[in-house]
Amino acid sequence: EAGVAQSPRYKIIEKRQSVAFWCNPISGHATLYWYQQILGQGPKLLIQFQNNGVVDDSQLPKDRFSAERLKGVDSTLKIQPAKLEDSAVYLCASSLVSPRRMNTEAFFGQGTRLTVV
Amino acid sequence: RKEVEQDPGPFNVPEGATVAFNCTYSNSASQSFFWYRQDCRKEPKLLMSVYSSGNEDGRFTAQLNRASQYISLLIRDSKLSDSATYLCVVISGGSYIPTFGRGTSLIVHP
Repeated sequence: EAGVAQSPRYKIIEKRQSVAFWCNPISGHATLYWYQQILGQGPKLLIQFQNNGVVDDSQLPKDRFSAERLKGVDSTLKIQPAKLEDSAVYLCASSLVSPRRMNTEAFFGQGTRLTVV
Repeated sequence: RKEVEQDPGPFNVPEGATVAFNCTYSNSASQSFFWYRQDCRKEPKLLMSVYSSGNEDGRFTAQLNRASQYISLLIRDSKLSDSATYLCVVISGGSYIPTFGRGTSLIVHP
C-alpha cells in the first residue's frame, strides 16, 4: 500500500516569499491533517479536513496560511508571505475514518522541511 | 496548562534497562490515546494504541490512568534501536483533534 506522499522534501525561501506544499493521502482516506513541527517540539495541528470540508482550522494563522483539499483527495498548504518563524517541518497525515471512531491511526508523510532565511 | 505534556528528557539508559515515560493530559473528555515513535529527521509512526485495560506488545506496555489523567509507556529490555523520540497523542471527545505532546527523547547506549 502506497503511503502518504508529500512534495517537495526540502524548500529554502527568503522571508516574505510564498511557498506551497502538496500532499497526496493514502487512497480512500477521508481525513487529512496538516501539522507543523518546529525543531524540538511535537507536531502542532494546523488544519484537519474530512473529505473536502474543513473540520478544524483554529490553529492555522489565516493571515498568511491557507489550505485546500479540492475533490477530497490531494491537498495543498500555502504560506504567503513567509516569516522566519515558519521554518519547520510540515507534515501531512491521513486516516481512514474520522477520529470520532475509536483508535483511528494516522499515517504520516515524510514531511517538507522548510527553511526561511 | 498544556493540553498534553511530556518530559522531553533525554532519558539515557543502558541496553537491557527498563524505562518508563508518562504523558499527562488536561481534558477529562479525552477518548483515544496513542504512542507514536519518531526517529531523527523522520516522520512519526504509530507504536501502539492505548486501551483502557492496558495493552502489551512484546517489550512495550502501555497503560491508561483516567483518574489521574495520564498514560504511560514501559519499555523492557531496551535495545539500541529503541533510541528515538516517543510522542504521546490524545484525541479529545469534543474536538476529535489528535493533539501531540512534545515528545520524550530516549537514548539507549551500549
